[in-house]
Amino acid sequence: GAVVSQHPSRVICKSGTSVKIECRSLDFQATTMFWYRQFPKKSLMLMATSNEGSKATYEQGVEKDKFLINHASLTLSTLTVTSAHPEDSSFYICSARSSTGESYNEQFFGPGTRLTVL
Amino acid sequence: QKEVEQNSGPLSVPEGAIASLNCTYSDRGSQSFFWYRQYSGKSPELIMSIYSNGDKEDGRFTAQLNKASQYVSLLIRDSQPSDSATYLCAVNNNAGNMLTFGGGTRLMVKP
Repeated sequence: GAVVSQHPSRVICKSGTSVKIECRSLDFQATTMFWYRQFPKKSLMLMATSNEGSKATYEQGVEKDKFLINHASLTLSTLTVTSAHPEDSSFYICSARSSTGESYNEQFFGPGTRLTVL
Repeated sequence: QKEVEQNSGPLSVPEGAIASLNCTYSDRGSQSFFWYRQYSGKSPELIMSIYSNGDKEDGRFTAQLNKASQYVSLLIRDSQPSDSATYLCAVNNNAGNMLTFGGGTRLMVKP
């Protein structure tokens, strides 16, 4: 149980295009999901907190117009990187906080999406 | 002062030994504590959660929590080369939603 999927796992795109990443909790409900990015050999950096049915809360320094987050249901959150540039190349990881069951309050990570912007 | 601190390592132990990973946190009101394992190039995987003072055992892993001293530790018994990874300590802040992560300790288990 407590599986989080992320799609796509890897994407290469041209500069200026937009990329959409999906995060799904497969066997539990998650009122709250989180989006992180991680550069090689660096710590996880929280980008935003996504709450089902409401606007995301962005961390300081993260542009909300560039990183669009939608949390349309209790099992799905999406991150869209708009007008991507090479400096946006990174490992993007979502996590979902379980709001029910035995794993209540535990946070589970998706497998990540490696974005490369040419 | 960072909110959650870990020694970055690397911590090197021989196969079969006990690996001891430590973490301190600054928010005295923290309620939930987690250990994640992250292999290179992969996302973190939850291995232990602990909420009350004392020890919690799960297989070869034991988490220890001391709220008075504001530290949480992870012991790995009978360490295996496959345990080689970065171990992240995470603390749930008072707001209840967000996890604050330490920088991680890199563990190397040598055959």
